[in-house]
Amino acid sequence: AQSVSQHNHHVILSEAASLELGCNYSYGGTVNLFWYVQYPGQHLQLLLKYFSGDPLVKGIKGFEAEFIKSKFSFNLRKPSVQWSDTAEYFCAVNGAGGGNKLTFGTGTQLKVEL
Amino acid sequence: DTGVSQDPRHKITKRGQNVTFRCDPISEHNRLYWYRQTLGQGPEFLTYFQNEAQLEKSRLLSDRFSAERPKGSFSTLEIQRTEQGDSAMYLCASSLSEGTGGYTFGSGTRLTVV
Repeated sequence: AQSVSQHNHHVILSEAASLELGCNYSYGGTVNLFWYVQYPGQHLQLLLKYFSGDPLVKGIKGFEAEFIKSKFSFNLRKPSVQWSDTAEYFCAVNGAGGGNKLTFGTGTQLKVEL
Repeated sequence: DTGVSQDPRHKITKRGQNVTFRCDPISEHNRLYWYRQTLGQGPEFLTYFQNEAQLEKSRLLSDRFSAERPKGSFSTLEIQRTEQGDSAMYLCASSLSEGTGGYTFGSGTRLTVV
């Protein structure tokens, strides 16, 4: 069975600070990895995804994530956060042959203060 | 295309009543998924369809839960004899079968059982 751990449940940053949100997964085979964001009052939106190739993936709004296979990690980063990045962030994994169903982490609530 | 639509947005029901939620996926997406999200948790997979076929339903929480997608387009999720523990956000998502594009989520139906 696949599982996802997000170790930071709540993060508070000031504008322009750098962000790194941790995500570790548990699955022995080939995985596809995703970060989703949920802004207040809105639905889940895809930030970025990794399927294969370059382990450094760039997404929307200046976010990027790095897949480190040896560490089973897919951490999300942004060099300089904005107030509008306040949202909940979810890491998710889909194991090969898993029918595309995603297993989500518990989420990280990010608050960016002015 | 307006994305994935879910109806209703909110539902308040008395314990013991039956409820039904509807999901209209993106028209060209042949896969449709149902998830449940409770406070402080990430979305939890319930079931999914490829066209009209329900390919996995083992994660449906009990035999009170059922889902259909009779014509391979919209889907319904029914909960019979609701319990207070069923209070949650029920999310629908759709994707192409190849899955490389990730999921598109709807805004969800928030169920409150009183």
